[in-house]
Amino acid sequence: DGGITQSPKYLFRKEGQNVTLSCEQNLNHDAMYWYRQDPGQGLRLIYYSQIVNDFQKGDIAEGYSVSREKKESFPLTVTSAQKNPTAFYLCASTRRQGKAEAFFGQGTRLTVV
Amino acid sequence: RKEVEQDPGPFNVPEGATVAFNCTYSNSASQSFFWYRQDCRKEPKLLMSVYSSGNEDGRFTAQLNRASQYISLLIRDSKLSDSATYLCVVNQGGATNKLIFGTGTLLAVQP
Repeated sequence: DGGITQSPKYLFRKEGQNVTLSCEQNLNHDAMYWYRQDPGQGLRLIYYSQIVNDFQKGDIAEGYSVSREKKESFPLTVTSAQKNPTAFYLCASTRRQGKAEAFFGQGTRLTVV
Repeated sequence: RKEVEQDPGPFNVPEGATVAFNCTYSNSASQSFFWYRQDCRKEPKLLMSVYSSGNEDGRFTAQLNRASQYISLLIRDSKLSDSATYLCVVNQGGATNKLIFGTGTLLAVQP
């Protein structure tokens, strides 16, 4: 079945450590996105990518980094520079053309301890 | 001004009620519009796309007003299972294909 997979589902990190969240899709979508959601809040855009080897900062990119070396994969690194990293992270993908509705992975809950 | 704005609610309604959500967007060049539903601690799922002519799916009706830059969602005959957060989503299209979410409106349907 086609879909988008995020791993791990739960992640604990010590302060000062970098951590990488995985996002893989087999939908042949060109565009991929990372969002952060805090309790009771909406989704805020961190980074997005339209094609391989290209990506753009979203509204809250500070303290995060991404890469897009393959069409299927768009990993997000939460660096130690991110001051409040505890949140629910969601990855999404869309076609670049047409209706472009987004499909989501199940999310990663990151907790800094 | 936020790119996509929604009333956060909560909307507390009895079963069987009709409820309407509105959402405004700031970028007049936006190309695609959607309503998503998000259950507690889950990922958002597409409820319906919103077309210029308006569209209906069972008890749900979506409308788009490009001149006033808002979209709406109407839910008729509310069910307990409709309780969730409803997210307005705008794809700005063009070269950026930037996908922006509203903060969501919480709906609680009461028995």
